[in-house]
This record gives sequence, structure tokens and C-alpha cells, in this order.
Amino acid sequence: SAVISQKPSRDICQRGTSLTIQCQVDSQVTMMFWYRQQPGQSLTLIATANQGSEATYESGFVIDKFPISRPNLTFSTLTVSNMSPEDSSIYLCSVEDGSVYGYTFGSGTRLTVV
Amino acid sequence: RKEVEQDPGPFNVPEGATVAFNCTYSNSASQSFFWYRQDCRKEPKLLMSVYSSGNEDGRFTAQLNRASQYISLLIRDSKLSDSATYLCVVFQTGANNLFFGTGTRLTVIP
Repeated sequence: SAVISQKPSRDICQRGTSLTIQCQVDSQVTMMFWYRQQPGQSLTLIATANQGSEATYESGFVIDKFPISRPNLTFSTLTVSNMSPEDSSIYLCSVEDGSVYGYTFGSGTRLTVV
Repeated sequence: RKEVEQDPGPFNVPEGATVAFNCTYSNSASQSFFWYRQDCRKEPKLLMSVYSSGNEDGRFTAQLNRASQYISLLIRDSKLSDSATYLCVVFQTGANNLFFGTGTRLTVIP
């Protein structure tokens, strides 16, 4: 299956600051997905990142708050901007993995905003 | 109504037991179906895709009923290592999006 390296694995940040999360995939993929998993909840899609075009955001998520970069077919970043304690969550990237006919996830970034 | 609904559990079963999880989805246009396993503080990992004809992988059997919009996962001869949260996941081609159930928590007891 695809191998995804996601960094950082965890961080504790001050409110009002920003954090950029990186995902590197070991193969070229058309789309990368960014999810949020709040404590005790399931995963919610934030946006879909396509190389060469702007990311597509789901309802409730906006580019100013969660800017995404997708400079090439193996890499993407998600920034959580102007953080508040409500942004404390696990953030995960994901790709469609043809080798397993499913979706593979990065190991997640556990963010705590204080 | 949620796109994907599943019983959150928890299910506490003894080793060797058989346990079944159920899941329903709301959009009849859903195309692909999966069961994922998520261990505490870890990312979800694909357990198995679910095919219309049903499929089996060792102790795990998945079934899909499109008419009832219902998916199931059966685990036979439960092991301690099966303790985890099992996520029912549905892909909708039109939305080009995965929809996740809230997960069913399983604890296998010695």
C-alpha cells in the first residue's frame, strides 16, 4: 500500500498562531484529502487537494482558515490558521490507494491549542 | 440524517466469540464500501473492502445489501488483538467523498 509520511505527529500551540502540517506520499497521486477527527468523533473531510488547482473545501471549512498547498503529485500541506482551542483535534491526510482498492491515511497530527 | 450510521457500542466480548457489526447508509448512489479499523491514537487502517457478493478474509466476513442500504462485518473467533474501533466507510462518486460512521468500539476480553 501507499506510504504516507505526515509531520508533525503532535504539537501544542498558542491560540492565535498557525500550524502547517505536511504529508509526503511515496507515489504520485491525483488527489489528496485532509480530514479532521475531533475527540470521540469520526472523521470529517476538510478539503480535497488537487495538484495544479485550488483545493475544494467542504461545507463549514474555508480557505482562509485552512489554506492548502499541493505543489506536486506527492506532497501537500494543510495550515490551521489563527488557532483557537476549538481547533484542537487530530488532522489526517489521505490518498486513494489503488494497490489496496481503498484509502490510506497518514499517521495523523494531534494538535492541542492552549 | 447522517450519511452513515452505526451502533457505537461498546461491544465487550470474550475471546473466541463471534461478533457482528452493522451499518446503514442513506444515499442509494453510494458506490464503494469499506470497513476500517482504528486503534487508539492511531490512524484508520483499511480492514477490507465490501463487495456486492460479500467477501471473506480469514476470520472476517463483510456483507453488503444494496436494497436495504446495509453493510455488516462479522468477526469469528475473536482475538484480543481485535480490540479496536471499527469504522464503516462509504464512498459517493458524485460527492467524490468518503463518509465515515462514528465507529463501533470492540473490546475482546480474556
